[in-house]
Amino acid sequence: GESVGLHLPTLSVQEGDNSIINCAYSNSASDYFIWYKQESGKGPQFIIDIRSNMDKRQGQRVTVLLNKTVKHLSLQIAATQPGDSAVYFCAESKTYKYIFGTGTRLKVLA
Amino acid sequence: GAVVSQHPSWVICKSGTSVKIECRSLDFQATTMFWYRQFPKQSLMLMATSNEGSKATYEQGVEKDKFLINHASLTLSTLTVTSAHPEDSSFYICSAPRDIYEQYFGPGTRLTVT
Repeated sequence: GESVGLHLPTLSVQEGDNSIINCAYSNSASDYFIWYKQESGKGPQFIIDIRSNMDKRQGQRVTVLLNKTVKHLSLQIAATQPGDSAVYFCAESKTYKYIFGTGTRLKVLA
Repeated sequence: GAVVSQHPSWVICKSGTSVKIECRSLDFQATTMFWYRQFPKQSLMLMATSNEGSKATYEQGVEKDKFLINHASLTLSTLTVTSAHPEDSSFYICSAPRDIYEQYFGPGTRLTVT
């Protein structure tokens, strides 16, 4: 059942502004990191990934930054659009097993 | 791109009954698949690793006798929730890795136990 009182943190961003979503991961041995977008009632949708031998990777309108020193991952979305509204999860991996972060809800304000 | 399907997409069952959820990799073979559970407003929690040809590996706190996993072929894994109770109501998601850096998620199955 549902855990009472547990809510996703929410980031509200004006349309057209840049969004930065942060994630702390737990395992210093993780060597692969992924950002997913999840819309209500759907499975996770891949956004961008990064391997541990990199500290930055860019995609279309998205950038992932990895700071292994403090075990921190961030997702930057440029020129945020209404279609970006969703819940965003980071995931860390060592071998095939993924461990997901708690998630952040992104709300894009018109 | 690779596709992973799940069936059914949603199911309602009565308390005490069992329900089976299928996960299929449609255009690649997967010797390993993963099952996740997601409660509302929460993250995906890994339940178990499904291994073709061998027993599933369950995460700590997940009852293996309640959540039966069968990796019947290289493209199919099934999760059976036995003797379901309302607290088992959740969104169940599977994933299948094509390789170590390429993993695909299914669309999820919404289970409601009444």
